[in-house]
Amino acid sequence: NAGVTQTPKFQVLKTGQSMTLQCAQDMNHNSMYWYRQDPGMGLRLIYYSASEGTTDKGEVPNGYNVSRLNKREFSLRLESAAPSQTSVYFCASSWDSNQPQHFGDGTRLSIL
Amino acid sequence: KNEVEQSPQNLTAQEGEFITINCSYSVGISALHWLQQHPGGGIVSLFMLSSGKKKHGRLIATINIQEKHSSLHITASHPRDSAVYICAVDSSNYQLIWGAGTKLIIKP
Repeated sequence: NAGVTQTPKFQVLKTGQSMTLQCAQDMNHNSMYWYRQDPGMGLRLIYYSASEGTTDKGEVPNGYNVSRLNKREFSLRLESAAPSQTSVYFCASSWDSNQPQHFGDGTRLSIL
Repeated sequence: KNEVEQSPQNLTAQEGEFITINCSYSVGISALHWLQQHPGGGIVSLFMLSSGKKKHGRLIATINIQEKHSSLHITASHPRDSAVYICAVDSSNYQLIWGAGTKLIIKP
């Protein structure tokens, strides 16, 4: 049972570089989410996708873009990475907005 | 003031002790979630509740909607229970409000 799969697990970037974090779920969930987790803080929602074909901003969307490629996949793109984006990024999915979320293992991203 | 407050921030206990972690919130909610984050980083949903009490194995979660308070209890605690426990509330569609977490260490 794969659940929610995130790639890569670790990445180091230089300031100004771009990259895409990939997320895929095999549970036929409608909703998908991208969070960042910084030391001493709770998870913060970057973007979410309520259903295939829709995306919406969360609490901290600046500097990020997302694509809900199909029902399974939801990618997060950093167009021009900044040191403030150094964080652990989690993708999650749920059957619907009021159901428990299932999380990927996270991506540790460092921006130098 | 944060909308979701957890206490304590850190808790160290001996194996076998009864553990209580608290979560207070200041907004109206439709549901409250308890999650566990393992030392390796993975996050697992433990409970989702909107009233009363739920039990799963040695874990018990309660919620008092009037007092805007929830507790997570662990009975007969074990070192493998060591983790960060996170409370989150559903106040509007899709955007959970997250607590900062309680780091629990159970010593053998």
